[in-house]
Amino acid sequence: LAKTTQPISMDSYEGQEVNITCSHNNIATNDYITWYQQFPSQGPRFIIQGYKTKVTNEVASLFIPADRKSSTLSLPRVSLSDTAVYYCLVAVRNSGNTPLVFGKGTRLSVIA
Amino acid sequence: DTAVSQTPKYLVTQMGNDKSIKCEQNLGHDTMYWYKQDSKKFLKIMFSYNNKELIINETVPNRFSPKSPDKAHLNLHINSLELGDSAVYFCASSQNRGGATNEKLFFGSGTQLSVL
Repeated sequence: LAKTTQPISMDSYEGQEVNITCSHNNIATNDYITWYQQFPSQGPRFIIQGYKTKVTNEVASLFIPADRKSSTLSLPRVSLSDTAVYYCLVAVRNSGNTPLVFGKGTRLSVIA
Repeated sequence: DTAVSQTPKYLVTQMGNDKSIKCEQNLGHDTMYWYKQDSKKFLKIMFSYNNKELIINETVPNRFSPKSPDKAHLNLHINSLELGDSAVYFCASSQNRGGATNEKLFFGSGTQLSVL
């Protein structure tokens, strides 16, 4: 079972780039890495997913080194509305089924 | 037009009561889930249904019974509510069966259950 470790919290000023790193030392060969964002009183929302190297979309970039034991979510020029909890998810499988446990995530606070 | 909608958003009830939470998705997905988020913010899967078939049933008390009348709906009925059941319950859906590590989950906005 792959376990993820991320910082509990981070603070940033508006306009800065924020990088959140997640370690997943026991990631399996076929596992993807997925990041979700959760605002207060809402369900998690898919942000980005990758398998190796770099993935970029309109919201974020995801950097994955060659050994895939970690990944870094990069949020460019954050705004106050990016204040949320960010979850790194690697498959924690039980008999081949869906990832079960999200972990505590990283609480990002963006300050004006 | 909400993709995954669940009702009610808030549910306050007494210990021992029976309550239901409803969930509907209009994404055409085959799989639906119930997750529980406790006070420590851990999100744990409770159940998963694929095309009305139960495929994941985690260690959840028998007082919790999911029902899927069709693949667009997954309801959660809870009997004899206990204080420890207080949490936020999220419904989610995904396109595929589940188990593929590139699965993407779409969540509802949650039901905050408070048992007094």
